[in-house]
Amino acid sequence: NAGVTQTPKFRVLKTGQSMTLLCAQDMNHEYMYWYRQDPGMGLRLIHYSVGEGTTAKGEVPDGYNVSRLKKQNFLLGLESAAPSQTSVYFCASRRTGLGFDQPQHFGDGTRLSIL
Amino acid sequence: QQQVKQSPQSLIVQKGGISIINCAYENTAFDYFPWYQQFPGKGPALLIAIRPDVSEKKEGRFTISFNKSAKQFSLHIMDSQPGDSATYFCAASIRTGTASKLTFGTGTRLQVTL
Repeated sequence: NAGVTQTPKFRVLKTGQSMTLLCAQDMNHEYMYWYRQDPGMGLRLIHYSVGEGTTAKGEVPDGYNVSRLKKQNFLLGLESAAPSQTSVYFCASRRTGLGFDQPQHFGDGTRLSIL
Repeated sequence: QQQVKQSPQSLIVQKGGISIINCAYENTAFDYFPWYQQFPGKGPALLIAIRPDVSEKKEGRFTISFNKSAKQFSLHIMDSQPGDSATYFCAASIRTGTASKLTFGTGTRLQVTL
């Protein structure tokens, strides 16, 4: 049981390039989330999805787009990468239901550097 | 605007000692308070969680103390071990429509020395 898998694990981009980060979960979870983690700032929510075909903005959505075409996959796109987007990106998923009973399960992250 | 404030930023504790991490929040709509543990190169993993109608929850060596009136909660790690060395994040959950979202604290890097 792989849980939440993120690809790629590492990537270096040049300013202005585009790329897509992939998150795949095999737990049949409805909800999926994208976070970024920066030193001293904890994890901040970028976008999230409550089901296939739905997306919503989180705390820091600017510069990112997402898509949830299949229930098991949640894609995070950077159309024109900027150095400020250098970060570690985490995907998480959880089942529906009250938050207390349904923890978020995280992948191991994608480390993205933008030069 | 940091809705969940966490302290200290880093903590060094001797093996066998007690580690204490504190968090405070402002939004009374938060309804679930989990703690996550993160090892280097890994994603966060749920450690323990509490609801605001409970003042304390204990799981093994880990205890959450919750003070609703003060809007504060804390993680206590008893008999701290070197394997507990990790970064700890407190979080608070709020419901938005059909979903719930987590707001994380800034993290505490714990080092347990021999």
